[in-house]
Amino acid sequence: KQEVTQIPAALSVPEGENLVLNCSFTDSAIYNLQWFRQDPGKGLTSLLLIQSSQREQTSGRLNASLDKSSGRSTLYIAASQPGDSATYLCAVPNSGNTPLVFGKGTRLSVIA
Amino acid sequence: EPEVTQTPSHQVTQMGQEVILRCVPISNHLYFYWYRQILGQKVEFLVSFYNNEISEKSEIFDDQFSVERPDGSNFTLKIRSTKLEDSAMYFCASSERGQSSGTQYFGPGTRLTVL
Repeated sequence: KQEVTQIPAALSVPEGENLVLNCSFTDSAIYNLQWFRQDPGKGLTSLLLIQSSQREQTSGRLNASLDKSSGRSTLYIAASQPGDSATYLCAVPNSGNTPLVFGKGTRLSVIA
Repeated sequence: EPEVTQTPSHQVTQMGQEVILRCVPISNHLYFYWYRQILGQKVEFLVSFYNNEISEKSEIFDDQFSVERPDGSNFTLKIRSTKLEDSAMYFCASSERGQSSGTQYFGPGTRLTVL
């Protein structure tokens, strides 16, 4: 059964700092990995989707990498801003063409 | 930009009552999902729906739950007899393609409170 773990659980950084969020998964037979952002009490906003054949994906200040064989992904946020404060979730299909299994998320606070 | 919408945003109900949560997926999407998130816990999969039938469901999705696509635009989740432990945020999601390649887009959620 797929398990997704995210470290750290919470992170507080000063504005302007670059940071890395980590995600690991136990079953490497995934088709893709998706990173989401969740603001308090709100829905999930898709940030990036990396296909299993890709090693990284970029969108603006965000860069996600995927090492499928070791069961790891990282989300790199460059030049963090207070507006980046949110919970970041990673999710993978539970082996094959099945729905998403989520990590518990990393709660990020960027201090002005 | 097209988005998934959900109504109501907040539903309060008494234990044992039936509730229907509504979702309008993105119009050209073919795959639909319900997830839930109990406060402070992970987002959990409930059910997926494709071609007018359930394609997969989790252990959570027992006989108290049902889904329906009553017309070409709505996708509903019904809980027949709510329990206290059904209190959670319920998210609808849709994707153009199956999970092997498709990004899932989530709605804003319905907060269900069972008293």
